[in-house]
Amino acid sequence: EAQVTQNPRYLITVTGKKLTVTCSQNMNHEYMSWYRQDPGLGLRQIYYSMNVEVTDKGDVPEGYKVSRKEKRNFPLILESPSPNQTSLYFCASSPRAGPAGANYGYTFGSGTRLTVV
Amino acid sequence: GDSVTQMEGPVTLSEEAFLTINCTYTATGYPSLFWYVQYPGEGLQLLLKATKADDKGSNKGFEATYRKETTSFHLEKGSVQVSDSAVYFCALSDGSNTGKLIFGQGTTLQVKP
Repeated sequence: EAQVTQNPRYLITVTGKKLTVTCSQNMNHEYMSWYRQDPGLGLRQIYYSMNVEVTDKGDVPEGYKVSRKEKRNFPLILESPSPNQTSLYFCASSPRAGPAGANYGYTFGSGTRLTVV
Repeated sequence: GDSVTQMEGPVTLSEEAFLTINCTYTATGYPSLFWYVQYPGEGLQLLLKATKADDKGSNKGFEATYRKETTSFHLEKGSVQVSDSAVYFCALSDGSNTGKLIFGQGTTLQVKP
């Protein structure tokens, strides 16, 4: 089944303890992206990747890192999580990068609910 | 910058009622417009899209028309079902290389039997 898989689904952690949220897609998609969803704000883009080894900042990148060493994987790294990073996180992918990919439509993972205390 | 505004929720309807969820946008260029749906505990799914003015997107009985003159992309369905209960997001793509979608805040729809 074609899908985007995120792990874990739920995570509670303490301030400052490094964590990684994994994202993997099995569709050979070029483009991958991370969003966070907060009440009243919709979804906001954190980082995106147009292909292997090509990543760039979205609208809210502070406090996050990403890497794209393989086409299928796009992990989100929080080096020193803080309570304001408590949110619902989504990974998304598309066959192509840029506007063509957006117009094709994104496949989203099921989300990771992160709580930082 | 570009933005999307949706009507406040939650919207509560009885089964078979008519649905409208309003969406307006602000964009400097010629964006593509989308509706995504999020069922409980799941990720977002593309519901429908329109890539130019006057296009109508449709899927699963839902429709939305890209109205450039009113900068709107309202979602409609003639007869909702309980299974349509979900959060609906209006979004635009500005056509930039970032591939970014700009989302509205989401509208929760609850359909009662």
